[in-house]
Amino acid sequence: QKEVEQDPGPLSVPEGAIVSLNCTYSNSAFQYFMWYRQYSRKGPELLMYTYSSGNKEDGRFTAQVDKSSKYISLFIRDSQPSDSATYLCAMSEATGRRALTFGSGTRLQVQP
Amino acid sequence: NAGVTQTPKFQVLKTGQSMTLQCAQDMNHNSMYWYRQDPGMGLRLIYYSASEGTTDKGEVPNGYNVSRLNKREFSLRLESAAPSQTSVYFCASSEAGTSADTQYFGPGTRLTVL
Repeated sequence: QKEVEQDPGPLSVPEGAIVSLNCTYSNSAFQYFMWYRQYSRKGPELLMYTYSSGNKEDGRFTAQVDKSSKYISLFIRDSQPSDSATYLCAMSEATGRRALTFGSGTRLQVQP
Repeated sequence: NAGVTQTPKFQVLKTGQSMTLQCAQDMNHNSMYWYRQDPGMGLRLIYYSASEGTTDKGEVPNGYNVSRLNKREFSLRLESAAPSQTSVYFCASSEAGTSADTQYFGPGTRLTVL
């Protein structure tokens, strides 16, 4: 079993829809949770970052962390065709290892 | 500010050939990382360097070596390439290497081993 599980999609939605992307994980030591966006043939770029449990909002994007369920979500409101990309969740422990454990990514297509 | 740059962008090798992937960052970051990305597998850490002069193995280090040449540059070497090393390779850097650091990624190198 992978440490981080993510539905690969593709997820196809109409422009303006609310999108929900999710990851589950098994390592209870994970404390930092991130969402990266990756456009085709580009490197990942950080979209959202949260520490421990709770919500964080940035414009059209909201990240949620539920540590009790080992479940994180990214919501995109009023989705745009420019949001079409692969979304990768990533997480890391609070101490020790200085690198991220990634999900496999969910491909999102927003249809105009 | 170029951020993280990688060379080459594309490479085709024959089994057994060697090559070095180059990575440089101009953000004065302490930590640098090499990942590989394969379909359905996400990004997996190959090696990382927490600071200049140190390197450590990641999740999938077999078949690779690294050199932290100076604070800016971190290279990845394949001594004897195998078809299983066909992948997209990403270099990343972060300021201090703590868990909370944002990692900045380069554009990637697409490697095919025949």
